[in-house]
Amino acid sequence: DTAVSQTPKYLVTQMGNDKSIKCEQNLGHDTMYWYKQDSKKFLKIMFSYNNKELIINETVPNRFSPKSPDKAHLNLHINSLELGDSAVYFCASSQDRALGEQYFGPGTRLTVT
Amino acid sequence: SQQGEEDPQALSIQEGENATMNCSYKTSINNLQWYRQNSGRGLVHLILIRSNEREKHSGRLRVTLDTSKKSSSLLITASRAADTASYFCATDAGGSEKLVFGKGTKLTVNP
Repeated sequence: DTAVSQTPKYLVTQMGNDKSIKCEQNLGHDTMYWYKQDSKKFLKIMFSYNNKELIINETVPNRFSPKSPDKAHLNLHINSLELGDSAVYFCASSQDRALGEQYFGPGTRLTVT
Repeated sequence: SQQGEEDPQALSIQEGENATMNCSYKTSINNLQWYRQNSGRGLVHLILIRSNEREKHSGRLRVTLDTSKKSSSLLITASRAADTASYFCATDAGGSEKLVFGKGTKLTVNP
């Protein structure tokens, strides 16, 4: 029974397109995150939501828009995709915003051509 | 800016040997965590050590924390080929609401 799931696992698209990545957690956690991992494996926080409320919004282009319809779901929509958006995007969740253990999804490898 | 930095960047050992990875950080922390990432997979939490703890064990893992030196180490004893992965430390950067990850150590355990 997958704890944190993401779809799709792979996403190949052309520059200028708009795409969405979906994330769901069945752990009953209050807090969810989006991370970006670049080609050098550097992992950086993008957004964090706690009970559907945005609590972290790092310096991310406003082409990236997260949306949390309920506390079990956190989606990421990206407009006008650029080559530099190519990366692996991870969703994660934690019990609360106290920065304890985080549970990661399997990742979505986005390739922009 | 980056908070944690792992050392070495890559480590290759034989099965059965011990592997030690180090993490240094810059600002005060409430806790430090270690994660493992197998190739093509998401990160898996290994262990969390609080700033008032000096050492913690979990199975074959031993983590130490020296807040005076702003450093932590992860020791994997009696390594196995299945331990081959990248290992990341993450800190809460002194009360911020985000985890900041290091660049990771890529561990290869040769059978």
